[in-house]
Amino acid sequence: GESVGLHLPTLSVQEGDNSIINCAYSNSASDYFIWYKQESGKGPQFIIDIRSNMDKRQGQRVTVLLNKTVKHLSLQIAATQPGDSAVYFCAERTSGTYKYIFGTGTRLKVLA
Amino acid sequence: EPEVTQTPSHQVTQMGQEVILRCVPISNHLYFYWYRQILGQKVEFLVSFYNNEISEKSEIFDDQFSVERPDGSNFTLKIRSTKLEDSAMYFCASSDGLLRETQYFGPGTRLLVL
Repeated sequence: GESVGLHLPTLSVQEGDNSIINCAYSNSASDYFIWYKQESGKGPQFIIDIRSNMDKRQGQRVTVLLNKTVKHLSLQIAATQPGDSAVYFCAERTSGTYKYIFGTGTRLKVLA
Repeated sequence: EPEVTQTPSHQVTQMGQEVILRCVPISNHLYFYWYRQILGQKVEFLVSFYNNEISEKSEIFDDQFSVERPDGSNFTLKIRSTKLEDSAMYFCASSDGLLRETQYFGPGTRLLVL
């Protein structure tokens, strides 16, 4: 069946280091992916997206990489800051629908 | 920056009671969604809504649930007879007509059914 999963439930990084959060998906029909950030008590906040016809997309301090061969998605955060501490979810969309399947989330802790 | 708003932020209800969760999507958006997140679990899709009709719904969205856009700004989720397992955070989201894939989420309503 369809599933989106995360390899690491908790990731701790030193402030200023780069963070890499990973996500595996199993539905080869998924054509669009989003990374969301969720801070405590708040709703998911859009960070960056990528379509399946791309393998890399960069934003401000963030980069998403998509490897369709192994159905793997990653979020790279450069120069991680305390404000980056949150739970990060990947979400996938199957082509032809607009409902997203979310992963379980990875908690990023930034150590001072 | 425009944002999705939701009210109330918290709601406590007795099992069997009806609840209405309210959302004000971003003003120029055309597509509306409800998701829920049971404590400690994944965010789950419930329903999408466009042009006053349900576009898609999940198996969670059974006859106990309904959605409505009663006016030009509000989007509501009604649970007719709440169950204990309906306790969750409910998120509303919206997206515009051009970048429909990008869904913007509200802060959520935490529903507790006793």
